[in-house]
Amino acid sequence: DAKTTQPTSMDCAEGRAANLPCNHSTISGNEYVYWYRQIHSQGPQYIIHGLKNNETNEMASLIITEDRKSSTLILPHATLRDTAVYYCIVRALNTGTASKLTFGTGTRLQVTL
Amino acid sequence: DTAVSQTPKYLVTQMGNDKSIKCEQNLGHDTMYWYKQDSKKFLKIMFSYNNKELIINETVPNRFSPKSPDKAHLNLHINSLELGDSAVYFCASSPGTGHRPQHFGDGTRLSIL
Repeated sequence: DAKTTQPTSMDCAEGRAANLPCNHSTISGNEYVYWYRQIHSQGPQYIIHGLKNNETNEMASLIITEDRKSSTLILPHATLRDTAVYYCIVRALNTGTASKLTFGTGTRLQVTL
Repeated sequence: DTAVSQTPKYLVTQMGNDKSIKCEQNLGHDTMYWYKQDSKKFLKIMFSYNNKELIINETVPNRFSPKSPDKAHLNLHINSLELGDSAVYFCASSPGTGHRPQHFGDGTRLSIL
């Protein structure tokens, strides 16, 4: 799976949009971009994933550049409960019907009042 | 209802003991995983089972033995516990095909004295 690079930490004011960047310049054509987050003392939580089109769900939006070498996760109105470590993961299907998630160090997002 | 549940939540034991961690999912998924998160917060895959069959086995000491009695359960047995086994162990599950998100439990914090 391609390697990802994320900033170590970011701050965001409550109510503002949080834009979390991810670089994945070595991504290959069959690899998807996934975002998970881990709130303190909890298991990782799936947020969103995409291949090349921008995606939106009830939690966030995912913007993938046209060359697919980078992406941005957008939390449109961050709240204190969004404080967590956010992981950008590039994932391809392999090993039969399952594939592992390879977590990096992620971005620690601190949402403040 | 809890989707992926692990027991126990905390496990404190002495070096050399044998212990088990249980995981159950009620999502109807046919693929389950064990991940380990060490003290530096790196989260790494250990094992994956699909329909009770082992399909991912990372470089893990053979003191760790996963067992899947049925699709809804994946237990982790650890023999001869060592200090380095102290970590948080997360169970996860996913539908077996396609790019589907993994759902994680809240982890079992294992501390070796």
